[in-house]
Amino acid sequence: DIQMTQSPSSLSASVGDRVTFTCRASQSISNYLNWYQQKPGKAPKLLIYGASSLQSGVPSRFSGSGSGTDFTLTISSLQPEDFATYYCQQSYSTLSWTFGQGTKVEVK
Amino acid sequence: EVQLLESGGGLVQPGGSLRLSCATSGFTFNSYAMSWVRQAPGKGLEWVSGISGGGTNTDYADSVEGRFTISRDNSKNTLYLQMNSLRAEDTALYYCAKERAVSGIYFVDYWGQGTLVTVSS
Repeated sequence: DIQMTQSPSSLSASVGDRVTFTCRASQSISNYLNWYQQKPGKAPKLLIYGASSLQSGVPSRFSGSGSGTDFTLTISSLQPEDFATYYCQQSYSTLSWTFGQGTKVEVK
Repeated sequence: EVQLLESGGGLVQPGGSLRLSCATSGFTFNSYAMSWVRQAPGKGLEWVSGISGGGTNTDYADSVEGRFTISRDNSKNTLYLQMNSLRAEDTALYYCAKERAVSGIYFVDYWGQGTLVTVSS
């Protein structure tokens, strides 16, 4: 099974900060990597698919990069509504997915 | 408008069974793979099981293999998860998830609101 490891587990930041967090796969997954945002009590929301493609309606301050085993999600200027938990997910193995453990972005 | 509505959750004793359902509308159900994803209280997301649009291909997380069975009724636009031999560690909010593919990249584009399963004596 493909394991996904996110770092850090949490980070503290302020509105306006540029924040970057990472996701590492246990084997190469090409660009079969998606990012989701989840707020408390809500279902996850897709932000990025295919490592770098922005989902329709998602603000352009979100961007993704990477290929193979190492991926990053960047928020260029953190907004109040961005305080949430972010999960990466590999879909390299069709119908057999795994999520990272999440990165929680908290108010500094 | 795409809608996914889960039901069937509840309190069950260890070793018991439950059947979750996910009634869908707003899209051509048999054209899309579907998954169940769960989230234990205060924990992260865990993919549980997936099924192809026609229902012929399925897969399971190691943690539920042999105990859970995913199925779908394309005539009723409904997804199911039969859960047997339930354990305390199966306690979670279970989400129904619709998959979509763009250039071969699969992801979840719609989620249900979740149904809570609690396994406890």
